[in-house]
Amino acid sequence: AQSVTQLDSHVSVSEGTPVLLRCNYSSSYSPSLFWYVQHPNKGLQLLLKYTSAATLVKGINGFEAEFKKSETSFHLTKPSAHMSDAAEYFCVVNPDNYGQNFVFGPGTRLSVLP
Amino acid sequence: DTGVSQDPRHKITKRGQNVTFRCDPISEHNRLYWYRQTLGQGPEFLTYFQNEAQLEKSRLLSDRFSAERPKGSFSTLEIQRTEQGDSAMYLCAIGTDNYGYTFGSGTRLTVV
Repeated sequence: AQSVTQLDSHVSVSEGTPVLLRCNYSSSYSPSLFWYVQHPNKGLQLLLKYTSAATLVKGINGFEAEFKKSETSFHLTKPSAHMSDAAEYFCVVNPDNYGQNFVFGPGTRLSVLP
Repeated sequence: DTGVSQDPRHKITKRGQNVTFRCDPISEHNRLYWYRQTLGQGPEFLTYFQNEAQLEKSRLLSDRFSAERPKGSFSTLEIQRTEQGDSAMYLCAIGTDNYGYTFGSGTRLTVV
């Protein structure tokens, strides 16, 4: 079975410090991987995606993620947190590239302290 | 504007009533998905359409749930005899598996 684990349910950082949101996946095949962000009372927004091209993927708002097959990880990072980054972040896997639906992780809530 | 319009934004209904939600993609797209998100959880897949054909249904979709996409454009999701456990955010999305989905803002259902 395919699954996504987000190791931290809540991460708190100070403004201007680095962000690391961890994600591990299990999949029988080489998956496509995504990070989505959800701000309070807003819809889900695609941050970035990995689809078997470059393993380091750059997304919007300064976020990036690195696909590490040996570690089955796809951690999300940002060098310097901004107050507007406070939101819920979901790691998502399309398990086998032939499936018709995504599997979402449980989410990580990011708080940014002034 | 997310490219996917969902109506209504909020719905409060009494247990046992029927409700219907609508999803309107702004542009034509072959694939349309419905997801459900409960508080503190990630979205869970409900069902998926390729044009007007409903190709896959999750086991979460009990027989009280029905979805249609009659002309391959907008879609409706109906819940009959609502239960308190149906309270959730219902999300519609369009897109492709490799390039990601565009989600609507969702319909928040509260069953009282």
